[in-house]
Amino acid sequence: DGGITQSPKYLFRKEGQNVTLSCEQNLNHDAMYWYRQDPGQGLRLIYYSQIVNDFQKGDIAEGYSVSREKKESFPLTVTSAQKNPTAFYLCASSARQGGTEAFFGQGTRLTVV
Amino acid sequence: KNEVEQSPQNLTAQEGEFITINCSYSVGISALHWLQQHPGGGIVSLFMLSSGKKKHGRLIATINIQEKHSSLHITASHPRDSAVYICAVGSYNTDKLIFGTGTRLQVFP
Repeated sequence: DGGITQSPKYLFRKEGQNVTLSCEQNLNHDAMYWYRQDPGQGLRLIYYSQIVNDFQKGDIAEGYSVSREKKESFPLTVTSAQKNPTAFYLCASSARQGGTEAFFGQGTRLTVV
Repeated sequence: KNEVEQSPQNLTAQEGEFITINCSYSVGISALHWLQQHPGGGIVSLFMLSSGKKKHGRLIATINIQEKHSSLHITASHPRDSAVYICAVGSYNTDKLIFGTGTRLQVFP
């Protein structure tokens, strides 16, 4: 079955450590996205990528980094520069941006202690 | 003011009731999405529409482009419909998805 897979579901890290969240899709989608969700707020875009080896900052990119070396993979690194990293992170993909159906992963809940 | 506004923020219903969730937006759009998020956090796409009306089982989504408004209806609601329902629009200008803050629905037996 085609889909989008995020791992792990829960992640705990000590303050000051970098952590990488995995996102893989086998839908042959060109566009992939990372969103952050905080209680009472809508999803906010961190980074997005429309093609391999290219990505753009979203609305809240500071303290995060990404790579897109393969079409099916778009890992997100939460760096120690991110001031408030504890959140729920969602990865999504679509054939292209905006006007096509988006598919979402199950999310990763990151807790920094 | 948010570019995508949903109402109500919270909604409780008895099993069997007809439910309506509203979404208004202020930007030009290429498409509007209705999404469902269960307590575990994963999100499922329910509908993507750019005009008219779509139906899937007990769910109906409508959109009025002139009024920049969409509604999601659930007929004969069931406790398993309890979830957060999120409206998102694909911006025509930037081609990015803009999300509402969601409507938390609880259906009691």
